[in-house]
Amino acid sequence: RKEVEQDPGPFNVPEGATVAFNCTYSNSASQSFFWYRQDCRKEPKLLMSVYSSGNEDGRFTAQLNRASQYISLLIRDSKLSDSATYLCVVPASGGSYIPTFGRGTSLIVHP
Amino acid sequence: NAGVTQTPKFQVLKTGQSMTLQCAQDMNHNSMYWYRQDPGMGLRLIYYSASEGTTDKGEVPNGYNVSRLNKREFSLRLESAAPSQTSVYFCASSGHYNEQFFGPGTRLTVL
Repeated sequence: RKEVEQDPGPFNVPEGATVAFNCTYSNSASQSFFWYRQDCRKEPKLLMSVYSSGNEDGRFTAQLNRASQYISLLIRDSKLSDSATYLCVVPASGGSYIPTFGRGTSLIVHP
Repeated sequence: NAGVTQTPKFQVLKTGQSMTLQCAQDMNHNSMYWYRQDPGMGLRLIYYSASEGTTDKGEVPNGYNVSRLNKREFSLRLESAAPSQTSVYFCASSGHYNEQFFGPGTRLTVL
């Protein structure tokens, strides 16, 4: 099993739709996670962190399911500007300095 | 605060030429990283520096060298560029919660 796995998509949704992505991870000891957003040919930018209690920021909700070892990102009321690739990240921990990035899920929001 | 800055933004080299990519961060972070990202691919770690004075190889170090000049600056050098090194190069630094902050990237083409 790869350390971090994401469905590459693309997820093609109309404006106003609700869309959810999952990310599975293999290291059961991981305590925290991040979602990043990457626009085409731009640098990844931190979207939100995910801890055991989950996280909500406006239209975005991130949750952690430890039992099944996945995190999710829910986007409500999708906007055209949400079109991007969403990266799941397991940060460095336990003496390692190396984070693990998923390859990303592509979202396309159309009018 | 500028965050993470990179120079140059774009570069075209001929096979065999050398160049140095510069990266600086003003967030007082200890750890810094160099990644490459090829079209449609995920981020791959080239080298990282856990703290000033240390550097370590990542997943794809061949053909590259790095220097952690001081706490702020971490440079990446291509001694003899090859077409396979055509890519977008991102520098990142790691914050208190091990979240990564990225620079805007250098788009390198090797002819």
